[in-house]
Amino acid sequence: GQNIDQPTEMTATEGAIVQINCTYQTSGFNGLFWYQQHAGEAPTFLSYNVLDGLEEKGRFSSFLSRSKGYSYLLLKELQMKDSASYLCAVWDSNYQLIWGAGTKLIIKP
Amino acid sequence: DVKVTQSSRYLVKRTGEKVFLECVQDMDHENMFWYRQDPGLGLRLIYFSYDVKMKEKGDIPEGYSVSREKKERFSLILESASTNQTSMYLCASSFPGQGGNQPQHFGDGTRLSIL
Repeated sequence: GQNIDQPTEMTATEGAIVQINCTYQTSGFNGLFWYQQHAGEAPTFLSYNVLDGLEEKGRFSSFLSRSKGYSYLLLKELQMKDSASYLCAVWDSNYQLIWGAGTKLIIKP
Repeated sequence: DVKVTQSSRYLVKRTGEKVFLECVQDMDHENMFWYRQDPGLGLRLIYFSYDVKMKEKGDIPEGYSVSREKKERFSLILESASTNQTSMYLCASSFPGQGGNQPQHFGDGTRLSIL
């Protein structure tokens, strides 16, 4: 079966750095997305990786290793507004999006 | 900015009722999707559509149907609502994308409770 694993919940301190991991086992791979979802709101697109390596976008970076079936989202200089759930999703060989359950990130002052 | 609008944020219905959830997008996207989101589970795809009048079953279509009469509108129908359909329902849209970066854009969701 197809599966995406993320930690259920993480806690970090304002101003610090946090890394949210995502591992996947899917039938094929055509790209990986990260989304942010604040409580009660719509998921919003953060990043897309299809090649190995690090993609940097301001305070957020996303890394992919296709051989390891692994990605992470790196958040720097954490702010209170970064408290949210972070969803990992993989496009499989049929271009169906497979979603992880999400990681709830709690930022403490 | 892309805008995906779902008709209701909160909805309470009774078991056995026929329920309509409406979704409208203003970006001329070909693709539209209906998901449900439950605690501890990833988003699960109910139905999707790549064109007007076209629909495809997702992973959990049982108990649901959809309608896409116009490009901008995609409706989800619960034929006879049951308590296990209590959930958050999310609509999304996107441009066609295979091998490209075409993220899905989501509405704010409808929290549906079936009593």
